[in-house]
Amino acid sequence: EPEVTQTPSHQVTQMGQEVILRCVPISNHLYFYWYRQILGQKVEFLVSFYNNEISEKSEIFDDQFSVERPDGSNFTLKIRSTKLEDSAMYFCASSVEQGATGELFFGEGSRLTVL
Amino acid sequence: SQQGEEDPQALSIQEGENATMNCSYKTSINNLQWYRQNSGRGLVHLILIRSNEREKHSGRLRVTLDTSKKSSSLLITASRAADTASYFCATDAVQGGSEKLVFGKGTKLTVNP
Repeated sequence: EPEVTQTPSHQVTQMGQEVILRCVPISNHLYFYWYRQILGQKVEFLVSFYNNEISEKSEIFDDQFSVERPDGSNFTLKIRSTKLEDSAMYFCASSVEQGATGELFFGEGSRLTVL
Repeated sequence: SQQGEEDPQALSIQEGENATMNCSYKTSINNLQWYRQNSGRGLVHLILIRSNEREKHSGRLRVTLDTSKKSSSLLITASRAADTASYFCATDAVQGGSEKLVFGKGTKLTVNP
């Protein structure tokens, strides 16, 4: 069964360093998302992406964050200068239908630890 | 803001019992979805119910939706230890052209063998 894959599964980085989290969405999906979950807390929307551009972003998704679909298969989240509070599980998701009209398929997540 | 809130925050039951989790939300929706998350893993879609539906079944899952009360419930019948997980409701937004799915805080279900 097709699945969303994410790498790395866990990354430890020093505060101020740049981090790139990678995702391979399901191949026929058109809509892509990043969510994050701070340990034990709710799953928070970061950004949605369609047709090679951001379609919606949350207030969390500030200038330190960027997304890219560099080669038609990968979908990346970059955090330019990490802060301690960026420590969280980051989930990539993709869907066939727009936004919340249908099922989102999530990856297993990338755990980011900022020291 | 558009958000689902689950209740209770945590639920512990014995295998074979039924588990009921509730979700309340604030504004009008097109649909409401339930997801499951095993500890440290990704979210898995369970069921979607549209605003014009009142009840939906999928295996041992039963979801109800009451748009007048802005609430939904997820019932898991004849629970198993493998049902131990966190369960989240997620809602869309009708107004403003928002595309995002907004998740609640989740109910942590423990099914004891």
